[in-house]
Amino acid sequence: NAGVTQTPKFQVLKTGQSMTLQCAQDMNHNSMYWYRQDPGMGLRLIYYSASEGTTDKGEVPNGYNVSRLNKREFSLRLESAAPSQTSVYFCASNGHTDTYEQYFGPGTRLTVT
Amino acid sequence: EDQVTQSPEALRLQEGESSSLNCSYTVSGLRGLFWYRQDPGKGPEFLFTLYSAGEEKEKERLKATLTKKESFLHITAPKPEDSATYLCAVRPLDTGRRALTFGSGTRLQVQP
Repeated sequence: NAGVTQTPKFQVLKTGQSMTLQCAQDMNHNSMYWYRQDPGMGLRLIYYSASEGTTDKGEVPNGYNVSRLNKREFSLRLESAAPSQTSVYFCASNGHTDTYEQYFGPGTRLTVT
Repeated sequence: EDQVTQSPEALRLQEGESSSLNCSYTVSGLRGLFWYRQDPGKGPEFLFTLYSAGEEKEKERLKATLTKKESFLHITAPKPEDSATYLCAVRPLDTGRRALTFGSGTRLQVQP
């Protein structure tokens, strides 16, 4: 059981470039999430997917798009990267249980110059 | 708006010196309060879920407690390997919002 996996682990982009962050989980969870973590600001929700085929905006969705490719995979796309998107990005998942705890991937460290 | 405030921002302890971390929250109905541990360069690791005031959960040297306004993470006789950032998060009763609201964390350093 790998849990939640993310690729790449590190990425450097120039302003205006695009890229897709990949996330996959092998726990048969229905819900998946993308967060960003910035110093002193905690984790902030970008987008989430309650189930396959559905996506919803979170607290900071501007500049991002997502795709729930199937039950396992949830990708985050930056169409035109900006320096303000320099951050650490975490993917998480949780199943439809009464416990609601989320399980996180190892993160992608993105720098936009 | 849901809010989570953690204090202190940073805490330095000597090995064996017990202490508590605080998480104050404001939420329109609490479905659950979560504690996570995060090591440098890694993703948050789930520790505990608390659902109602008065509830307590324990794991090794850690004990989490919950009141109607705050939660405490008590660390008894900490060891250097307990050094990490501890994150608190809440999930509201509103079932339309499935995501968690996180605090900014407490950085704990335990010195030998």
